[in-house]
Amino acid sequence: ETGVTQSPTHLIKTRGQQVTLRCSSQSGHNTVSWYQQALGQGPQFIFQYYREEENGRGNFPPRFSGLQFPNYSSELNVNALELDDSALYLCASSLGPGGLRPTSNEKLFFGSGTQLSVL
Amino acid sequence: AQSVTQLGSHVSVSEGALVLLRCNYSSSVPPYLFWYVQYPNQGLQLLLKYTSAATLVKGINGFEAEFKKSETSFHLTKPSAHMSDAAEYFCAVRRANFGNEKLTFGTGTRLTIIP
Repeated sequence: ETGVTQSPTHLIKTRGQQVTLRCSSQSGHNTVSWYQQALGQGPQFIFQYYREEENGRGNFPPRFSGLQFPNYSSELNVNALELDDSALYLCASSLGPGGLRPTSNEKLFFGSGTQLSVL
Repeated sequence: AQSVTQLGSHVSVSEGALVLLRCNYSSSVPPYLFWYVQYPNQGLQLLLKYTSAATLVKGINGFEAEFKKSETSFHLTKPSAHMSDAAEYFCAVRRANFGNEKLTFGTGTRLTIIP
């Protein structure tokens, strides 16, 4: 158990709908990263939030957006769902975005994910 | 840009045999390298990481990996496979000294243990 919880665990939506996925980070962690893992693929970085601000973004369109709240929990929102958005969405929390030298901040703690199916 | 290539999407070994999962990386700057394990219906768990200290890195559950710059490799090994090692394994890379920026993952290797 990592202390990172994601909800819901499974979700079915239809094309064109909007979805919100939620993540509660491990206690004391102020940084949350979101990854998309398509079937048979490795996770792909969507974006990272640090102290409520976006702190890096991968190659995903603007219809993927996020929020981080003062308690450091986070949401991933996807608008205008497409069939290819079907995937496992993973949230990972860490103690901070890290700095120039490796520290304990390096470790990411992953949740069990939300399995999204778009029909 | 950084990338990793995992050779072999499926690997099967007998219980008690050597486990070898291959990962080659490409990076324009010094890399940090990671191995993660994913059990069914679970998230990713860090096995071990290379952050430019010792080239031979020991991780949890008896796994280890060796960073070989000349071969751009970071293969994962375990001397004796156990049934509980059956899982999906991911190699990942990111730039050194850039904090917790994004990880770039390989496509994974599914390890099956034969009784």
